[in-house]
Amino acid sequence: EDQVTQSPEALRLQEGESSSLNCSYTVSGLRGLFWYRQDPGKGPEFLFTLYSAGEEKEKERLKATLTKKESFLHITAPKPEDSATYLCAVQARGGGFKTIFGAGTRLFVKA
Amino acid sequence: DAGVTQSPTHLIKTRGQQVTLRCSPKSGHDTVSWYQQALGQGPQFIFQYYEEEERQRGNFPDRFSGHQFPNYSSELNVNALLLGDSALYLCASSLWGDNEKLFFGSGTQLSVL
Repeated sequence: EDQVTQSPEALRLQEGESSSLNCSYTVSGLRGLFWYRQDPGKGPEFLFTLYSAGEEKEKERLKATLTKKESFLHITAPKPEDSATYLCAVQARGGGFKTIFGAGTRLFVKA
Repeated sequence: DAGVTQSPTHLIKTRGQQVTLRCSPKSGHDTVSWYQQALGQGPQFIFQYYEEEERQRGNFPDRFSGHQFPNYSSELNVNALLLGDSALYLCASSLWGDNEKLFFGSGTQLSVL
């Protein structure tokens, strides 16, 4: 069964304290791995798509990487406005266009 | 450019009732997917509509049904509501052929009492 597991469930950082969020996935042929950001009371907002192991994408203080079993979202020198829930998701080849989400990591950045 | 709009934003129903949620996709998009997000969990795929047909369905009972209109807007209907149906219902739009990147609305928060 296709599955996405994220860790940690919650992460508390001081402003400027860099860290990484983990996403482990099991999928029968990866079409794509996605990262979304979700603010309270809002829908998820698309951040990145990764397609193959070794691929990296960057956006401001965020950098996503991909291996054959995991993806990491690295946050460099975070600011309070980076506080949100970060969701990892996958689509499987042969699985249509169903997107399977993990439970997310809630990030809190304190000034 | 209007994004994905959903209505209503909040809804309170009692067990056994029926509910209809509405979604207008982002301008230029022709595909609508619906997701259920329980508190503290990630979104779960309910179904996807394209060309007014259900194209794919997740593991949800037949109590959950939908419809897509010629203008690409969509409705989600849930019959015989259960307490466990309380959740945030999210609509996501995309372009058929580029279904990887989803644009989400802010959702409808459904509470079943």
